[in-house]
Amino acid sequence: KAGVTQTPRYLIKTRGQQVTLSCSPISGHRSVSWYQQTPGQGLQFLFEYFSETQRNKGNFPGRFSGRQFSNSRSEMNVSTLELGDSALYLCASSQRAPGRTGELFFGEGSRLTVL
Amino acid sequence: DAKTTQPNSMESNEEEPVHLPCNHSTISGTDYIHWYRQLPSQGPEYVIHGLTSNVNNRMASLAIAEDRKSSTLILHRATLRDAAVYYCILSRLTGTASKLTFGTGTRLQVTL
Repeated sequence: KAGVTQTPRYLIKTRGQQVTLSCSPISGHRSVSWYQQTPGQGLQFLFEYFSETQRNKGNFPGRFSGRQFSNSRSEMNVSTLELGDSALYLCASSQRAPGRTGELFFGEGSRLTVL
Repeated sequence: DAKTTQPNSMESNEEEPVHLPCNHSTISGTDYIHWYRQLPSQGPEYVIHGLTSNVNNRMASLAIAEDRKSSTLILHRATLRDAAVYYCILSRLTGTASKLTFGTGTRLQVTL
């Protein structure tokens, strides 16, 4: 069974640009969530999607957005990049329904560097 | 949001038990306690979770205090492959969504 796949694995952008990251969940998983990991702030929740609907959002500015497609694949977008957006962006998928607990399966992440 | 507090680092000898503590004094009644670990250059990996009762699985045991303000992850026999950052996480369920609050993590070093 294939795991969570994130693309691209590494990318470099400059300030002011925008970036789109992709996440393919484990087959059959309908819940996808995104996290940002930085040395200073650790792991922070960005958003959670289920059945193409955003169910929850973390404390991030509106420059961070996401969406989920009918096949459960998800993308997140960061516009007007800032140096502080440099981070490892992790995607996790789950079989759990909204409001339920359950095991999250994480991808290896997309490492974004903003110059 | 409820927060968790963990020691920055711990050391253990191989094949000895390891007790990783986590404080979550502001936990609410609907918060589940999860533990994940992250090996270098990998995404986090699920270890165990619980609500009120102690839990056991093939990887570890989770001991939850009676007042739920703290918990302990127990690795019964640490191996070199258990060297990782362990995160204690609260999962708040709100009916239609769940929100995870990560701790700072404990870096576990395992030595021969």
